[in-house]
Amino acid sequence: EADIYQTPRYLVIGTGKKITLECSQTMGHDKMYWYQQDPGMELHLIHYSYGVNSTEKGDLSSESTVSRIRTEHFPLTLESARPSHTSQYLCACSQGDYGYTFGSGTRLTVV
Amino acid sequence: SQQGEEDPQALSIQEGENATMNCSYKTSINNLQWYRQNSGRGLVHLILIRSNEREKHSGRLRVTLDTSKKSSSLLITASRAADTASYFCATDRGGNMLTFGGGTRLMVKP
Repeated sequence: EADIYQTPRYLVIGTGKKITLECSQTMGHDKMYWYQQDPGMELHLIHYSYGVNSTEKGDLSSESTVSRIRTEHFPLTLESARPSHTSQYLCACSQGDYGYTFGSGTRLTVV
Repeated sequence: SQQGEEDPQALSIQEGENATMNCSYKTSINNLQWYRQNSGRGLVHLILIRSNEREKHSGRLRVTLDTSKKSSSLLITASRAADTASYFCATDRGGNMLTFGGGTRLMVKP
C-alpha cells in the first residue's frame, strides 16, 4: 500500500549529538516537505523539495539540512542538536495540486 | 503572520451536535484545504475546495468558501466522540505550497 513513513517515532538525545530523521514514501510523489510543530500549535515549513536534487528552505529558519538523492527519500539532519530543537517533525508529500499526505511524525526531545 | 487563522481555538460539544469551525486568510488563494490531527500524530487530509467553488460536501463534512470575505468554514454534522481532534485549515497560494493556521481543538463528549 502506498504510504509515507517516518522513523524514529520518538527520539531522546543529548545536546550536541548529530541526528537524522528519516522520511520515505512509496507514493511516487515528486514534492516532499518537512514541518516543525510544537504541541497544539501551528505547523511551520522548514524545508521542501520539488524533486530529486531539489531542496529549498521554508518559512521558518532552521539549523537543519535536507537532501533528496532519491524520489522516495527525504531525510532531515541536525548536525548538533540543542534543547531548542525539541519539537515534533512532520514529513509530507504531494503530487499536483491535491492534498498532502503526512507521516506520523517524529517527536524529538533534546536533553 | 499566519495566512490562515482558525476560530474558535477550542470547541467542546456533546455527541450528536454539529461543530462549526472557521478559517480566515489574508491573501488570494488557489484552494483551501482542511486537515485533521489526532493527538501526537500526523495530519490527515479531509477536503479541498478550490477558489471557484463555494461549497463542498464529503460524508458528514461540509465546507464553504467565501473568497470575498477571505474565509472558510468547516461543519461536522452529528458529531461523534471519535471526531475529537485538532482541525487545521491550509491555504495554497500557488505551487501547492500550503500555509497552515493554528488549528481548532475539538472535544466531543460522549
